[in-house]
Amino acid sequence: GAVVSQHPSWVICKSGTSVKIECRSLDFQATTMFWYRQFPKQSLMLMATSNEGSKATYEQGVEKDKFLINHASLTLSTLTVTSAHPEDSSFYICSARDAGQPQHFGDGTRLSIL
Amino acid sequence: QQQVKQSPQSLIVQKGGIPIINCAYENTAFDYFPWYQQFPGKGPALLIAIRPDVSEKKEGRFTISFNKSAKQFSLHIMDSQPGDSATYFCAASRGGTSYGKLTFGQGTILTVHP
Repeated sequence: GAVVSQHPSWVICKSGTSVKIECRSLDFQATTMFWYRQFPKQSLMLMATSNEGSKATYEQGVEKDKFLINHASLTLSTLTVTSAHPEDSSFYICSARDAGQPQHFGDGTRLSIL
Repeated sequence: QQQVKQSPQSLIVQKGGIPIINCAYENTAFDYFPWYQQFPGKGPALLIAIRPDVSEKKEGRFTISFNKSAKQFSLHIMDSQPGDSATYFCAASRGGTSYGKLTFGQGTILTVHP
């Protein structure tokens, strides 16, 4: 149980394009979802927290206009990287949890901007 | 105050050895301390977690030792196997059963030689 699916697992795109990453909870209701960013050989850095039906709360230093988060249903959240540039290349990981339960993580999306 | 400091950065043991990874925190409001295992290209997976009302917790070959007065906790892996080779992250959060946002340690790359 408690499976979180992330799609796509790997995406390569040109600089200036926008990329959407999906995060789905497959067998539970995700009242809260989290988005993280991880650079090679580094730890996970929380980017934002989203509750279903509410605007996301962004961590300090994360540009909310660049990283658009939508959590429109109890099983789906999306992260859109707008006008992506090479410095946005990273491993993006989502996690989800139901009320009173710990977070469960997806398998991440490797984003490469050329 | 929100930091969790993890050591060592990397660790090499022989099969059957007992690697120990340590974490220290400052924020006394933290009340949930999980450990995650991450394989390359994958998201972190919850291994074991502890709350500050107990000093030790065992699940299979994994043991957490917790020292509330020292604000430290550690992960011990008994009878380590080559398949345990991965990156391990400690984390901390507050909020009781609300499982607030996680603050991660820097990670430890564990290599278990056959």
